[in-house]
Amino acid sequence: EPEVTQTPSHQVTQMGQEVILRCVPISNHLYFYWYRQILGQKVEFLVSFYNNEISEKSEIFDDQFSVERPDGSNFTLKIRSTKLEDSAMYFCASSEGKREYYEQYFGPGTRLTVT
Amino acid sequence: DAKTTQPPSMDCAEGRAANLPCNHSTISGNEYVYWYRQIHSQGPQYIIHGLKNNETNEMASLIITEDRKSSTLILPHATLRDTAVYYCIVRLNYGGSQGNLIFGKGTKLSVKP
Repeated sequence: EPEVTQTPSHQVTQMGQEVILRCVPISNHLYFYWYRQILGQKVEFLVSFYNNEISEKSEIFDDQFSVERPDGSNFTLKIRSTKLEDSAMYFCASSEGKREYYEQYFGPGTRLTVT
Repeated sequence: DAKTTQPPSMDCAEGRAANLPCNHSTISGNEYVYWYRQIHSQGPQYIIHGLKNNETNEMASLIITEDRKSSTLILPHATLRDTAVYYCIVRLNYGGSQGNLIFGKGTKLSVKP
């Protein structure tokens, strides 16, 4: 069964450093998403991406964040200058379409620890 | 904020049916009800979704009331591996969103031997 994969599973970085989280969505999917979950809190939407541009972003997704689909398979989330409060699980998701009847499939997540 | 209300926790005996309720009294006519679960900080896992009719797949059944103001997710024979946080989500319609999911706090289901 096709699945979303994410690398690395755990990333430790120092405050102020740049990090890139990588995702490989399911191959025939066209819509891509990033969510995050701070420990003990709700899963929060960050950004959606389609046709090589951002479709929607939340207020969390500020200028420190960027997304990219550098090739036909990878989807990346970059945090330019990490802060302690960026420590969280980051989940990538993909779906065939954006309409409300298309389910999103999530990857296993990357645990980001900022020290 | 999430448009759904779920009990914070529930227990279920292994082998018995788990019935997880969800209230979504402000749901609009073209909004779907989705259920996901999250097993101990893993990525959320899609379970099932529906609009008006009851739905069943290999994982679960979804019962939606006729007025669509509430629904119940049924795991017919719960196992210890079904212990997870279950999220009921009303999917924002096409006109208002690009389809992102808004997660609430969910119901923590504990399946006990």
